[in-house]
Amino acid sequence: DTGVSQNPRHKITKRGQNVTFRCDPISEHNRLYWYRQTLGQGPEFLTYFQNEAQLEKSRLLSDRFSAERPKGSFSTLEIQRTEQGDSAMYLCASSVQGIGGYEQYFGPGTRLTVT
Amino acid sequence: AQSVTQLGSHVSVSEGALVLLRCNYSSSVPPYLFWYVQYPNQGLQLLLKYTSAATLVKGINGFEAEFKKSETSFHLTKPSAHMSDAAEYFCAVSDQAGNQFYFGTGTSLTVIP
Repeated sequence: DTGVSQNPRHKITKRGQNVTFRCDPISEHNRLYWYRQTLGQGPEFLTYFQNEAQLEKSRLLSDRFSAERPKGSFSTLEIQRTEQGDSAMYLCASSVQGIGGYEQYFGPGTRLTVT
Repeated sequence: AQSVTQLGSHVSVSEGALVLLRCNYSSSVPPYLFWYVQYPNQGLQLLLKYTSAATLVKGINGFEAEFKKSETSFHLTKPSAHMSDAAEYFCAVSDQAGNQFYFGTGTSLTVIP
């Protein structure tokens, strides 16, 4: 098992363009989470999936953001009409229920820079 | 509602000295608590977690944390700092269903040789 992977690792885009990020979770993990992390801050929860169902969405997730997990495996996070304020690290984590609840495993993140 | 507060955004210790990173939580339900470490340009790695079993939790790399309900605290300690401990540390809280995880703003640990 190679852990959680995210692609691309870095993305530079111009304001107004659309971007899509991919997350591949650990294979047996049924939960997948997306977070946004800005410099000097902790990760902020955006949304999470249990299998293919999107169960929670943060108020931070504006209508320009959409996430999917079509087959309950990998997930994509799309940002439409990017703004400079979207510049951040986007982190993905996966988990499965074990003894003592859920334990999240994080990917390396995708760093987005909007110019 | 759940939240965590990490006191001290920057902590410096000498190599070999005690490391103490503070975390206080707020939760309306019995919490699960976590400490993560993040190295530059990397994701977060779990150090340890409290899930209502033993209040003193031992983690990786010699770290441990004690859950104190009366003080709503979950401070992270390590008896002797190593240069490789220099990183950003995050405390997090979740409900027992794992529906959302709330992270603190982080503490940057510097280890002075």
